[in-house]
Amino acid sequence: DVKVTQSSRYLVKRTGEKVFLECVQDMDHENMFWYRQDPGLGLRLIYFSYDVKMKEKGDIPEGYSVSREKKERFSLILESASTNQTSMYLCASSQTAGGIYEQYFGPGTRLTVT
Amino acid sequence: AQSVTQPDIHITVSEGASLELRCNYSYGATPYLFWYVQSPGQGLQLLLKYFSGDTLVQGIKGFEAEFKRSQSSFNLRKPSVHWSDAAEYFCAVGGYSGGGADGLTFGKGTHLIIQP
Repeated sequence: DVKVTQSSRYLVKRTGEKVFLECVQDMDHENMFWYRQDPGLGLRLIYFSYDVKMKEKGDIPEGYSVSREKKERFSLILESASTNQTSMYLCASSQTAGGIYEQYFGPGTRLTVT
Repeated sequence: AQSVTQPDIHITVSEGASLELRCNYSYGATPYLFWYVQSPGQGLQLLLKYFSGDTLVQGIKGFEAEFKRSQSSFNLRKPSVHWSDAAEYFCAVGGYSGGGADGLTFGKGTHLIIQP
């Protein structure tokens, strides 16, 4: 079974702090994704990556950056956390191999910025 | 741009009754369609997917969905719900661009409540 793990289930940070959310997948997937989930808004794509050191902006990249130095790891960085970034963050991965494949999700990190 | 509409924010169904959750999509090319379920405090789990072929697809936990191109719909159904089906359900559409796989576009979700 594909396993996607996220470094923390719950995180509390102060406004202005630099925040790192880590995601690791164990199935050698090419693609990795970061979403945020908010009540009434569903899931929104922040950034995704096709390969190591590659990244693409999603629908709401403002205030975020990402890093993918190894194939299995995809990090989301909040350079200066703000209260409007309080949310549930979900990481996902998928293979590409000539088509579209389903995404596998981690359990999520609930971030609170105070 | 691709989009997904789930018209029902909340649905309440009695245990043992049938269920249909609606999903309409907009996508310029051949869509890849998915239904996910999210239990409270958990990540998303794939229920089923449609890529091509038979328009009626079977998934896990007794769910099925039917792709209707003429209606741009991909509705999820279950003949008899169980209390454990109470969860948030998300429909999603994806595509393939020249550069690789795009992120999925999700609907806003339907919250399913099961009455005893």
